[in-house]
Amino acid sequence: DSGVTQTPKHLITATGQRVTLRCSPRSGDLSVYWYQQSLDQGLQFLIQYYNGEERAKGNILERFSAQQFPDLHSELNLSSLELGDSALYFCASSDPTSGGAIFNEQFFGPGTRLTVL
Amino acid sequence: GIQVEQSPPDLILQEGANSTLRCNFSDSVNNLQWFHQNPWGQLINLFYIPSGTKQNGRLSATTVATERYSLLYISSSQTTDSGVYFCAVGDNYGQNFVFGPGTRLSVLP
Repeated sequence: DSGVTQTPKHLITATGQRVTLRCSPRSGDLSVYWYQQSLDQGLQFLIQYYNGEERAKGNILERFSAQQFPDLHSELNLSSLELGDSALYFCASSDPTSGGAIFNEQFFGPGTRLTVL
Repeated sequence: GIQVEQSPPDLILQEGANSTLRCNFSDSVNNLQWFHQNPWGQLINLFYIPSGTKQNGRLSATTVATERYSLLYISSSQTTDSGVYFCAVGDNYGQNFVFGPGTRLSVLP
């Protein structure tokens, strides 16, 4: 158990809908990262937040958005869902003291499996 | 952007055998991690190793940053080692964390 929690574990929805995925980082971690794992694209970095501020942005679609709240939990919002958004979405967190790099050693949550029908 | 390659793509071993997995990256990096994704989809952190050598039980890893590669060694493999092994790197611009395509390992009893 990495200490990172994600809810829900599974989500089934229809095209055009909007969903929210939630992540709680390990105790003491200030950074939260979101990733998407799909069969055709592999594992892709979406976005990083550090202590409430967006720090790095990867291959995140405009239909997707994220935020990190004062209690450090984070939410990933996916809207106007398409069939191709079906994937496993991971959240990771890191300790800012574990290294000077922006992408410090990351610990991953169990993921949320999203199915869009 | 930075490219990450892993080899071999697939590996089948008999229990007890040793193996070496390789990760090549196209540019200098400030972070490199190895992960194991088990058959249930969970990503398990194996090593944070931007340079040097580390060991953890039957696993060890070496990163030669100047030559842009990393190696993961698995000794005395067990069936529970089965799954996909990913290498991932953080670029020096702090803008992307890129995963390789993975090596799928199957350890047979």
